[in-house]
Amino acid sequence: DTAVSQTPKYLVTQMGNDKSIKCEQNLGHDTMYWYKQDSKKFLKIMFSYNNKELIINETVPNRFSPKSPDKAHLNLHINSLELGDSAVYFCASSQDRGAGNTIYFGEGSWLTVV
Amino acid sequence: AQKITQTQPGMFVQEKEAVTLDCTYDTSDPSYGLFWYKQPSSGEMIFLIYQGSYDQQNATEGRYSLNFQKARKSANLVISASQLGDSAMYFCAMRERVLGYGGSQGNLIFGKGTKLSVKP
Repeated sequence: DTAVSQTPKYLVTQMGNDKSIKCEQNLGHDTMYWYKQDSKKFLKIMFSYNNKELIINETVPNRFSPKSPDKAHLNLHINSLELGDSAVYFCASSQDRGAGNTIYFGEGSWLTVV
Repeated sequence: AQKITQTQPGMFVQEKEAVTLDCTYDTSDPSYGLFWYKQPSSGEMIFLIYQGSYDQQNATEGRYSLNFQKARKSANLVISASQLGDSAMYFCAMRERVLGYGGSQGNLIFGKGTKLSVKP
């Protein structure tokens, strides 16, 4: 059983399109995240979502919007895709936002915008 | 200022030897967690080991140990008896407490990673 699963794993799309990446966790965790890994492998938080409270990273363009239908799901919707959005997007979860709680990652979604 | 610094972009180690991957961190919060993750070429992020700021002993998980030197703000990962399958990117990361508006949001902050290559 995959603890944090995200789909699709690979996504190739044209500039200007709108796309979504879905994420589900079966760990019973309260907090979910989206991280972006750029071409230099640097990982940066985009969003965290804890008990219906959304924490937004200020540097994330508002074309990116997370949607959480329930505690086990956090989807990422991207409008008007740009070339610079090409990256690996990781969904993750943790028990809560405590400093000692491990964050577990999904397998990543490789987004290529052409 | 960078909160997590990994000074070794790439390292080589001979199979069966031990290797240390360096990590220094910067925080003024007395309560924080330090983590190491492995990212093989297949791309997934695998949690390896955790050290809490108040832990008295260094964390160990199988062949992985964390050399925690709090006064020096370092949290080096030691891999003993390297195996070919250890070849991967390794990321050091830190979580601070949630401090509310304008402060830490409790997210994981990553270093830039070290690419480890194990030679047969």
